[in-house]
Amino acid sequence: AQSVAQPEDQVNVAEGNPLTVKCTYSVSGNPYLFWYVQYPNRGLQFLLKYITGDNLVKGSYGFEAEFNKSQTSFHLKKPSALVSDSALYFCAVRERRAGKSTFGDGTTLTVKP
Amino acid sequence: KAGVTQTPRYLIKTRGQQVTLSCSPISGHRSVSWYQQTPGQGLQFLFEYFSETQRNKGNFPGRFSGRQFSNSRSEMNVSTLELGDSALYLCASREGATEAFFGQGTRLTVV
Repeated sequence: AQSVAQPEDQVNVAEGNPLTVKCTYSVSGNPYLFWYVQYPNRGLQFLLKYITGDNLVKGSYGFEAEFNKSQTSFHLKKPSALVSDSALYFCAVRERRAGKSTFGDGTTLTVKP
Repeated sequence: KAGVTQTPRYLIKTRGQQVTLSCSPISGHRSVSWYQQTPGQGLQFLFEYFSETQRNKGNFPGRFSGRQFSNSRSEMNVSTLELGDSALYLCASREGATEAFFGQGTRLTVV
């Protein structure tokens, strides 16, 4: 069975500071890993993914994530946070042979001016 | 390319009624998944369809069902609605080993 943990319900950062949203996973074999963002009353928007290759993945809006196989983590990062980054962030994992994705519970990011 | 389209966007139903939600995937995407999102339970997987066949199923009662048509459009049906079924229902489509693309969701309120 696959699972995802986002240990922080809420992350608060000041605008201009770096941000990290944490994600750890459990899956059989090599996973596909994803980050999505959700704004109020909207669907999820894709940010970035890890399929294979470089452990550092760059995505939309200046976000990046680092795949760490030994720690089974895929933390989302951004060097300089914007107020407009405030949203709900979901990490997701999918086994390579499975169609089903499992999502974390989400982390609410608040960036204060 | 048009995105994933879910209809209707908002729905109010009475307990005991049934409801059908619709999802039109991105053209060329054969996989369609449905999720229920509630404040307390987060994002819960309902089921996935691929080429008209249910490929995966989440842990929901039999009142929740779905189907997929030959053009990959999918419908989700909930019978005998309960207050606890009030949620945002999200549909996502993908093709192959790619990310899923989500629709805007259908907000279902059961009164």
